[in-house]
Amino acid sequence: GQSLEQPSEVTAVEGAIVQINCTYQTSGFYGLSWYQQHDGGAPTFLSYNALDGLEETGRFSSFLSRSDSYGYLLLQELQMKDSASYFCAVRGSGNTPLVFGKGTRLSVIA
Amino acid sequence: KAGVTQTPRYLIKTRGQQVTLSCSPISGHRSVSWYQQTPGQGLQFLFEYFSETQRNKGNFPGRFSGRQFSNSRSEMNVSTLELGDSALYLCASSLAGGRDTGELFFGEGSRLTVL
Repeated sequence: GQSLEQPSEVTAVEGAIVQINCTYQTSGFYGLSWYQQHDGGAPTFLSYNALDGLEETGRFSSFLSRSDSYGYLLLQELQMKDSASYFCAVRGSGNTPLVFGKGTRLSVIA
Repeated sequence: KAGVTQTPRYLIKTRGQQVTLSCSPISGHRSVSWYQQTPGQGLQFLFEYFSETQRNKGNFPGRFSGRQFSNSRSEMNVSTLELGDSALYLCASSLAGGRDTGELFFGEGSRLTVL
């Protein structure tokens, strides 16, 4: 089976940097994805890592270490609109579904 | 291009009833996945369909079923509803299950309340 662990809540100050960690256990590994979901909204895709290293997309970056079964999402220059839930998701192999963590609720405060 | 459309958006049922939820994927997408979302539990995988075939099924009781039609539209059905089935049911589409990009496109969901 597959399981993921991520913190349930994180609070950070507007303009700061925040890192949301995700550790996973899978039999096999295909890739790690990150999704954002605002209250009342649909989850939206942020990033995907299949190989070790850092992927940068604007203010958001995602990192993966396959040997440590670990990844993180880095949000820079935090804005109030970044207040949302963030989910990591892993696919163990090409034949398994995308499995999500329970999500991290990020609160950005002034 | 239109996004993933789910109907109905909201519905209220009573225990013992059954419900059918519908999902129209993005045009050209052949893969549809369903997830159940409850507070504090994240998104729990229900089913994945590709070209009318169920590719994966999550750890849910047999009361939960689904299907996909030749036009890629999908439905899921929950029979003999229980209070614990109250949740947001999310449908997501992709070209091939997001296997190359990790990206699924989600609809706004169908919020089911069981009384």
